[in-house]
Amino acid sequence: DAGVIQSPRHEVTEMGQEVTLRCKPISGHDYLFWYRQTMMRGLELLIYFNNNVPIDDSGMPEDRFSAKMPNASFSTLKIQPSEPRDSAVYFCASSLSYSPGFTPLHFGNGTRLTVT
Amino acid sequence: GENVEQHPSTLSVQEGDSAVIKCTYSDSASNYFPWYKQELGKRPQLIIDIRSNVGEKKDQRIAVTLNKTAKHFSLHITETQPEDSAVYFCAGGSQGNLIFGKGTKLSVKP
Repeated sequence: DAGVIQSPRHEVTEMGQEVTLRCKPISGHDYLFWYRQTMMRGLELLIYFNNNVPIDDSGMPEDRFSAKMPNASFSTLKIQPSEPRDSAVYFCASSLSYSPGFTPLHFGNGTRLTVT
Repeated sequence: GENVEQHPSTLSVQEGDSAVIKCTYSDSASNYFPWYKQELGKRPQLIIDIRSNVGEKKDQRIAVTLNKTAKHFSLHITETQPEDSAVYFCAGGSQGNLIFGKGTKLSVKP
């Protein structure tokens, strides 16, 4: 099992540019999460999907952020236009639901985004 | 929604001593409480978790306790080693809605 795969590992872009982060969850997992990590705010849940459907996007900071999951093996998080305050590490995570419980989150290695 | 508070933010111990990190949560519907360890520049990795129908769980030098009435849970690390140095995060919630604490930076001095 390759785990959750994120790309790119590092992204440096200029303010105003569009940024797309990519994630491949663990095969068979039906939940996918996008988190953002900063020193000031810690790990923030941005959005999560269940069976490719967005369930809760209340953590998305503003309309500049959007996320999609076109199929069970791929998700994107897009920022357009990007701003310096978006600089952070973005983690994707996946998990598997089962009855009566659930499995832990498995995190990818993250994408370190720097907006200059 | 859920709110998870974590204390302390930093913790320094001598090798061999015990370390305790405490968290509180606000939503009585939360039923899952994992702990993650994150080393510098790496991803968070699960070290132990507990569900609301269990009061205590232990795995070698690591243990977690949960008090549902008081809405708090704690991580206990015994016989600490330098390799335990990292940032530890607690989290609370349910499937699909896991809220993390702000983290505790643990330093174990040889």
